[in-house]
Amino acid sequence: NAGVTQTPKFQVLKTGQSMTLQCAQDMNHEYMSWYRQDPGMGLRLIHYSVGAGITDQGEVPNGYNVSRSTTEDFPLRLLSAAPSQTSVYFCASSSGPLPNEQFFGPGTRLTVL
Amino acid sequence: SQQGEEDPQALSIQEGENATMNCSYKTSINNLQWYRQNSGRGLVHLILIRSNEREKHSGRLRVTLDTSKKSSSLLITASRAADTASYFCATTSGANSKLTFGKGITLSVRP
Repeated sequence: NAGVTQTPKFQVLKTGQSMTLQCAQDMNHEYMSWYRQDPGMGLRLIHYSVGAGITDQGEVPNGYNVSRSTTEDFPLRLLSAAPSQTSVYFCASSSGPLPNEQFFGPGTRLTVL
Repeated sequence: SQQGEEDPQALSIQEGENATMNCSYKTSINNLQWYRQNSGRGLVHLILIRSNEREKHSGRLRVTLDTSKKSSSLLITASRAADTASYFCATTSGANSKLTFGKGITLSVRP
């Protein structure tokens, strides 16, 4: 099993550009989530999903959209990138509808100029 | 807003010593989890303790939970250089499906 995969590993955007960060898991996990990690801030929850077709907002959802059309995939869309969105983004998944033991992807390092 | 707060923010010890890290939280929880993050990598789950449990062990790890004080501690015994990493506590509360992380503790183990 590949576990949780994220693409791309690195990305540089200009202010105002849009892009999609990809996340996929092959463990048939119901729960998937997106976090951003900034120095000294720990991880902050952006959006999460408790199953296909169900998404909800986390702590810092503004500027981001998600969808969950399949169990395996949970893409994160940046609508109009801003320098404040420069961060490392992590996708995670866990079995069941609640965030028990979470399996994390390797992260995407995003820089917005 | 972060639910858990780890203490200390940074810890430096000699190989072979024990490392104790603490986490305090504000509201009642369903469970508390500890994660490790090596530099430049994703987080790895270490241990989960439920609100009705007081202590759990996993290898060299020992986690305690005191719900009356709203705090947890992670003890790593006989530390190794490979334990050098950042450690995070995370909590879930009520019917909330959100997992909330603290800001983390940086542990350095000197060979």
